[in-house]
Amino acid sequence: QKEVEQDPGPLSVPEGAIVSLNCTYSNSAFQYFMWYRQYSRKGPELLMYTYSSGNKEDGRFTAQVDKSSKYISLFIRDSQPSDSATYLCAMSLNNYQLIWGAGTKLIIKP
Amino acid sequence: SAVISQKPSRDICQRGTSLTIQCQVDSQVTMMFWYRQQPGQSLTLIATANQGSEATYESGFVIDKFPISRPNLTFSTLTVSNMSPEDSSIYLCSVVGSQGGETQYFGPGTRLLVL
Repeated sequence: QKEVEQDPGPLSVPEGAIVSLNCTYSNSAFQYFMWYRQYSRKGPELLMYTYSSGNKEDGRFTAQVDKSSKYISLFIRDSQPSDSATYLCAMSLNNYQLIWGAGTKLIIKP
Repeated sequence: SAVISQKPSRDICQRGTSLTIQCQVDSQVTMMFWYRQQPGQSLTLIATANQGSEATYESGFVIDKFPISRPNLTFSTLTVSNMSPEDSSIYLCSVVGSQGGETQYFGPGTRLLVL
């Protein structure tokens, strides 16, 4: 079993829809949770960063962490074609080593 | 966030040769990381490059195959030595962000194809 599980997709939704992206993990000691967005032929770009449990909102993006269920989510409201990308979750203990999901490819159809 | 550039952006190489990838940051950073990203797979950490000391390699990666230099706080190189087709991948450098080591910022990557 991988430490971090993420559905590779692709996930295809119409423009304007609410998108839900998820990761599950096995190590209950993880404290830091991140979402990165990666466009084709580009490096990953940090979207959201959360410490411990709870929600964090930034514009159209909301990150949720449920440590009791070992489950994190990223919600995108009013999705746009420009949101089409691969979304990677990453998490870590209290050090510099990030454990990555495989990434979910998201397609927003105009 | 730091601005990171990588050279080359892509290359096609023959097996048995070596390629050196450069990573340049627009500010001084303590820790730099080198990753490999193969199609459809997670990012895999190759090594952590600290200025003034030898790089720390992750399990499965060795210095003879992936020598790293870190001559100053804004620059690092990764060499992929004696390449085989299995080395075809995207190689990414990253640096620690202002929020601490858990927040990393990435360069655009180097796409390597080995024939």
